[in-house]
Amino acid sequence: DVKVTQSSRYLVKRTGEKVFLECVQDMDHENMFWYRQDPGLGLRLIYFSYDVKMKEKGDIPEGYSVSREKKERFSLILESASTNQTSMYLCASTNSGAYEQYFGPGTRLTVT
Amino acid sequence: AQRVTQPEKLLSVFKGAPVELKCNYSYSGSPELFWYVQYSRQRLQLLLRHISRESIKGFTADLNKGETSFHLKKPFAQEEDSAMYYCAFQGAQKLVFGQGTRLTINP
Repeated sequence: DVKVTQSSRYLVKRTGEKVFLECVQDMDHENMFWYRQDPGLGLRLIYFSYDVKMKEKGDIPEGYSVSREKKERFSLILESASTNQTSMYLCASTNSGAYEQYFGPGTRLTVT
Repeated sequence: AQRVTQPEKLLSVFKGAPVELKCNYSYSGSPELFWYVQYSRQRLQLLLRHISRESIKGFTADLNKGETSFHLKKPFAQEEDSAMYYCAFQGAQKLVFGQGTRLTINP
């Protein structure tokens, strides 16, 4: 059973803070993704990664960066959090060539 | 540009009534389309994929290339179908999601 875990379910940070969101998968998947989920806007891809130390920008990368030092771990970094980054953040993983993405439980981030 | 549109943000039907969640896509080739579902307090998960042509939890979705649609249907809604539904398109190396439709089944 694939398991994707995210470090926090709820997080409250102040404007300007550096924020780290961690995602770990235990199925040796090559591909990992970070999305944000907002009502009326659906899921929007922030960044994705096909391999260790590889990263690709998604549709809304501004204000975010990522790190993938190990295959199982994909981190999303908000260098200087802003209120418009208040959102639900979802991590997902999949194998290359596979069609189903497996999602984590999400981290609800509030920036005040 | 590859795009998925779900025109209804909210959809409310009574238990036992038919359900149709609309999804339209823009792509000139042969698309690969999916429906994902998120039940309350659960993770987002794959519901069905158009290629498999399966019926999952009573739901089906037919790809209509002429109308560029992939609507999700169920003949008789159940209360446990209440959830957020996303249509998704397999683009180059990534999924493109629609805006989502929140389905509420009234008793």
